[in-house]
Formats: sequence, C-alpha cells, structure tokens
Amino acid sequence: SQQGEEDPQALSIQEGENATMNCSYKTSINNLQWYRQNSGRGLVHLILIRSNEREKHSGRLRVTLDTSKKSSSLLITASRAADTASYFCATKAGGTSYGKLTFGQGTILTVHP
Amino acid sequence: DAGVTQSPTHLIKTRGQHVTLRCSPISGHKSVSWYQQVLGQGPQFIFQYYEKEERGRGNFPDRFSARQFPNYSSELNVNALLLGDSALYLCASSPTGAGGYTFGSGTRLTVV
Repeated sequence: SQQGEEDPQALSIQEGENATMNCSYKTSINNLQWYRQNSGRGLVHLILIRSNEREKHSGRLRVTLDTSKKSSSLLITASRAADTASYFCATKAGGTSYGKLTFGQGTILTVHP
Repeated sequence: DAGVTQSPTHLIKTRGQHVTLRCSPISGHKSVSWYQQVLGQGPQFIFQYYEKEERGRGNFPDRFSARQFPNYSSELNVNALLLGDSALYLCASSPTGAGGYTFGSGTRLTVV
C-alpha cells in the first residue's frame, strides 16, 4: 500500500514558472526522498531530507519537511521543458533496520515551452 | 562508471510461466532492492538484500523470490505468472541500504 499521497496529481505550467508539489505521509520517518521519473523508465534521485531537517536546497530544487504535519513539499524554480516528468516522494520509516522506501502515487508535471 | 543495469529491458510471457529478471548494482554498492511499478502508480517494495542476506520483504506472494550473489548482483524470480504481474520491475542499489538509491531503467514485463 502507498504511504504517501502527492498533491496535485497533475500540474501544468509554462517555462520559467515555479512548480510546487506536496506530499503527505502517515507514519514516523527516518528520511524523505524525492525522485523524478521520465516516461515510465528508471527513477532519478533528486534530494533527501532527514527527519531532523526542515529545509534543503539543491540547485533549482527546494524541499521542506514538516514532521508535525507529516508533510513535505518540493519546489522547482524557473522550470524548464526538460523538467517534464513524474515526481515521487518516498519515505524511509523510522526505526527500521533496512532501507525499504514507501512511494506515493506521484505528481505528473508538464512544463510547456 | 556504469549505473545500475537491468536485463532484459522488455519481456513478454504467458500466464503460468516463470520469469527471471537480473540486476547488476553500481560497483561497490552492497545493497540491492526490487520494486514493482504498475502503470499509473508509484513503485511498490518487493525485496531488499544487503551482503547477500534478505533484509526486507514487501507484501508480495511467495511466487516472488530473489537472491543476491557474491558479486552483489541480484535476480528476481516470479513463478506462475498472472496477468496482474504485468508491470515495470525496478532494481535499485545503494552502498549500505541507507540514503538515496540509484535505480536502473527497469524491465517491462508483459504477461499475456
């Protein structure tokens, strides 16, 4: 079963605009990760934020984590057509001894040139 | 350096048959995980192996099995295939099983 839920399910924007995707989860976590998937192929790891962190940046990406609300957001600034993809959040549960990731259902982002 | 490689890339099987999917992790990565992704959904965890030992199993029937070899490559086996097993099967590797994962491009399995 899916732990997280992404919102919105689909997002359509113009190049240069910012894109914000949200993720909610249900149980305590060790960390939360964001992945990108192009055309149903392999996933690409974007960023990892640990449960004791509140915000993290990587290039045009900004991730926030609110453990009290069990939610995270991914912001992509100055979007490009090449950012068109599906974006998934994935959580690693707290207290586990192995690295199972539980994925949400994803947000489909379309960036129009 | 080569990334995570999976073979084959596409596969068509008949109901009831058996299938073996293969994965070679990034050199130096000792942890391999398998995920099933049905069209339109997020990946679902099947197995994780670390240092040749099973470290986790998802909610999949016993028809699914896997193993990891001394060189850290891995196989996923599925017996008695059902139509519902049609999916993209993804392999992911990491140095220890913690942190972020590097995924392969997947094997697209179609059961007819």
